[in-house]
Amino acid sequence: DAKTTQPPSMDCAEGRAANLPCNHSTISGNEYVYWYRQIHSQGPQYIIHGLKNNETNEMASLIITEDRKSSTLILPHATLRDTAVYYCIVRDEGFQKLVFGTGTRLLVSP
Amino acid sequence: EAGVAQSPRYKIIEKRQSVAFWCNPISGHATLYWYQQILGQGPKLLIQFQNNGVVDDSQLPKDRFSAERLKGVDSTLKIQPAKLEDSAVYLCASSFYYRQGAGEQYFGPGTRLTVT
Repeated sequence: DAKTTQPPSMDCAEGRAANLPCNHSTISGNEYVYWYRQIHSQGPQYIIHGLKNNETNEMASLIITEDRKSSTLILPHATLRDTAVYYCIVRDEGFQKLVFGTGTRLLVSP
Repeated sequence: EAGVAQSPRYKIIEKRQSVAFWCNPISGHATLYWYQQILGQGPKLLIQFQNNGVVDDSQLPKDRFSAERLKGVDSTLKIQPAKLEDSAVYLCASSFYYRQGAGEQYFGPGTRLTVT
């Protein structure tokens, strides 16, 4: 079973920041938080991951709370191409297995 | 770099028939995965290979599903006989690292199977 809880859907205006929350209250010390997204009719795409520090790459930023029980994925300037299902996944560093939940369906509108 | 290739992209079969899917991972990726994604759900891991050995097949319905990865590169997933509930998208993914902290998985476009 997925170890995370995400809202089923969110809306965002094009050009604005999209902030996608994820709750992982049972996360253990050696588990990472991963984010993937899946655009319609495509396979999932890796976005970013982190352990306890905030992370940023060319796609997004990941903010993890100090107690690590929740995190937020930030798309700083959402575009129409960011419309997708976003999956937050908790994974042990020693194992490659990804357990997907149902994710958050983000709709970016003009 | 070339991505994960899968074929066919679409397949329609009748129940009780057999079907096979093919996957070619990214060059140099030792780990290969097959996922099943039913409409409205997230992908579910069916089987994971490290080179040509099976690491995890705990959720593979072994009475009807089989998979192999000869020579540690390409892989095939077979269903025989198919049931209506096998209708799904079958995703192949690969990654470079195994048992390391990073090692994001790269997914192919998937094969959409419809069983009638």
